[in-house]
Amino acid sequence: EPEVTQTPSHQVTQMGQEVILRCVPISNHLYFYWYRQILGQKVEFLVSFYNNEISEKSEIFDDQFSVERPDGSNFTLKIRSTKLEDSAMYFCASSGGRGANEKLFFGSGTQLSVL
Amino acid sequence: GEDVEQSLFLSVREGDSSVINCTYTDSSSTYLYWYKQEPGAGLQLLTYIFSNMDMKQDQRLTVLLNKKDKHLSLRIADTQTGDSAIYFCAESINNAGNMLTFGGGTRLMVKP
Repeated sequence: EPEVTQTPSHQVTQMGQEVILRCVPISNHLYFYWYRQILGQKVEFLVSFYNNEISEKSEIFDDQFSVERPDGSNFTLKIRSTKLEDSAMYFCASSGGRGANEKLFFGSGTQLSVL
Repeated sequence: GEDVEQSLFLSVREGDSSVINCTYTDSSSTYLYWYKQEPGAGLQLLTYIFSNMDMKQDQRLTVLLNKKDKHLSLRIADTQTGDSAIYFCAESINNAGNMLTFGGGTRLMVKP
């Protein structure tokens, strides 16, 4: 089965530093997403992206966050100035379309640790 | 806002049935989902149900939806050790089905 790949699997950074989390969605998918899970908490929606634009975003996705599809294969999440509370597992996902019958394929996540 | 709740842990013996329960608050939820997460892996969609359905069966999996009580369950028949994982209930918070609100996950442990 095709899969979404995320790199790195674990990223450690200092507070205030910028980080870029990388994802390679499934090649023919058009919709891309970031979710995150803080340790001990629920998986939370951050942002969805389609046609080089943000489609929807949650309250968590503030000005410190940005997403980009810099080329035909990668989808990135940038955190401009990391805070301790940004420490979480970040999941990338992609789908071929919108709607309940469009399966969201999730990557295995990047564990971000902000020290 | 929307909220989805699950019990934290379930332990069953191999060959028994497992029933994982979930409650949600948003009565306008159109789609409800079950995801599985194995150690070190991403979230894998197992099944989903439309809110106008009461039941959906897919091989060993049975999903029951009680819309009145806002209660969703996942039954796994003949549970195997390979079913040991965390199971997440999720609801769609938009009609596109791609903005999901997740429960906290239920860790299923299957004993041989």
